[in-house]
Amino acid sequence: GAGVSQSPSNKVTEKGKDVELRCDPISGHTALYWYRQSLGQGLEFLIYFQGNSAPDKSGLPSDRFSAERTGGSVSTLTIQRTQQEDSAVYLCASSPFGQPQHFGDGTRLSIL
Amino acid sequence: EDQVTQSPEALRLQEGESSSLNCSYTVSGLRGLFWYRQDPGKGPEFLFTLYSAGEEKEKERLKATLTKKESFLHITAPKPEDSATYLCAVRPSNEIQGAQKLVFGQGTRLTINP
Repeated sequence: GAGVSQSPSNKVTEKGKDVELRCDPISGHTALYWYRQSLGQGLEFLIYFQGNSAPDKSGLPSDRFSAERTGGSVSTLTIQRTQQEDSAVYLCASSPFGQPQHFGDGTRLSIL
Repeated sequence: EDQVTQSPEALRLQEGESSSLNCSYTVSGLRGLFWYRQDPGKGPEFLFTLYSAGEEKEKERLKATLTKKESFLHITAPKPEDSATYLCAVRPSNEIQGAQKLVFGQGTRLTINP
């Protein structure tokens, strides 16, 4: 069956621009997560959705970062006024309630 | 603070040479320890979940074990296709009910030479 799909797979943008990253979870998975993986760093939790609600936003690094989920399905992570330190691979994961998370292949974001 | 430390950072083995990867953790109440495999340019692939000390899980050449302070991923007679980065993560209990926020270690980069 189809796995977690993320787009674009690569994104290069200039410092100060806004970017939107998209995640299509596995059908039927109610939980959705965003993580960030920087070079040489482990995966860092950003935000968790249950349905369309985000009960845990504790990992968002600044107010330039926001995310939404619609229809209990697709999610978008938006980074405003990008900075060079935002360069990383952004990974999305989904799961049925209480089950292990399954990851997409990520969006590699490069800020020039 | 919840923390996960993996060792070694990198490991090179010859094909057929068995070894173990270590994951030590400090967490305020463990609600699951997870092992993932990550290939270059790909997202992590789920391998195992362990919930209580003494538990073991096996899949092909891999076996994961859990104690109160650490987990081991044993690799028996590895093949070159087992080369990957292996990630360990814990799910702390001091978090929003029903969430599965994971705290990851830095990973062990495993290379199996033919």
